[in-house]
Amino acid sequence: GAVVSQHPSWVICKSGTSVKIECRSLDFQATTMFWYRQFPKQSLMLMATSNEGSKATYEQGVEKDKFLINHASLTLSTLTVTSAHPEDSSFYICSARPVAAYLGQYFGPGTRLTVT
Amino acid sequence: AQSVTQPDIHITVSEGASLELRCNYSYGATPYLFWYVQSPGQGLQLLLKYFSGDTLVQGIKGFEAEFKRSQSSFNLRKPSVHWSDAAEYFCAVGDENAGNNRKLIWGLGTSLAVNP
Repeated sequence: GAVVSQHPSWVICKSGTSVKIECRSLDFQATTMFWYRQFPKQSLMLMATSNEGSKATYEQGVEKDKFLINHASLTLSTLTVTSAHPEDSSFYICSARPVAAYLGQYFGPGTRLTVT
Repeated sequence: AQSVTQPDIHITVSEGASLELRCNYSYGATPYLFWYVQSPGQGLQLLLKYFSGDTLVQGIKGFEAEFKRSQSSFNLRKPSVHWSDAAEYFCAVGDENAGNNRKLIWGLGTSLAVNP
């Protein structure tokens, strides 16, 4: 149980285009989902926290107009990287917290974004 | 502010040897502590967590961790390492100031290599 999927697993896009990444909790409902960015050989950097039905809370330094997050249901959150640039190339990971959990998070496998 | 320190960036052990990965935290109250493992090409997987009670916590894959309040530590141990344990290990603590979002604060990770 507690499976989180991400789609796509990898994507290559051209500079200036937008890319949408989906995060789904497959066998549980998640009131809270988290979006992370991970650079090679580095730790996870929390980008934003999204709660179902409300606006996402962005961490300091993360541009909310560039990284659009939508959490429309208890099983789906999306991250859209708008007007992508090469510096946005990274590994994006989502996690989801089950409704009944206090702090536990289950992670998706990640999405590798390459902007050319 | 809360923080998590993993003093060892990289550790190499021989297969069959014992392992201890260090984690120190700075936290004002009773911490909620986690260890996650990230294998190449795979998502983050929860190894074990400590919320309260017995300070020696058993996890998956033969791992255990001991919470020592006096030392502000939550070190991860395994008595005999297998080659498949080679991965990146992250320690995390629940953010007491995160309110309902209850974020995790992450250490920078320890990369484990296993020699045959």
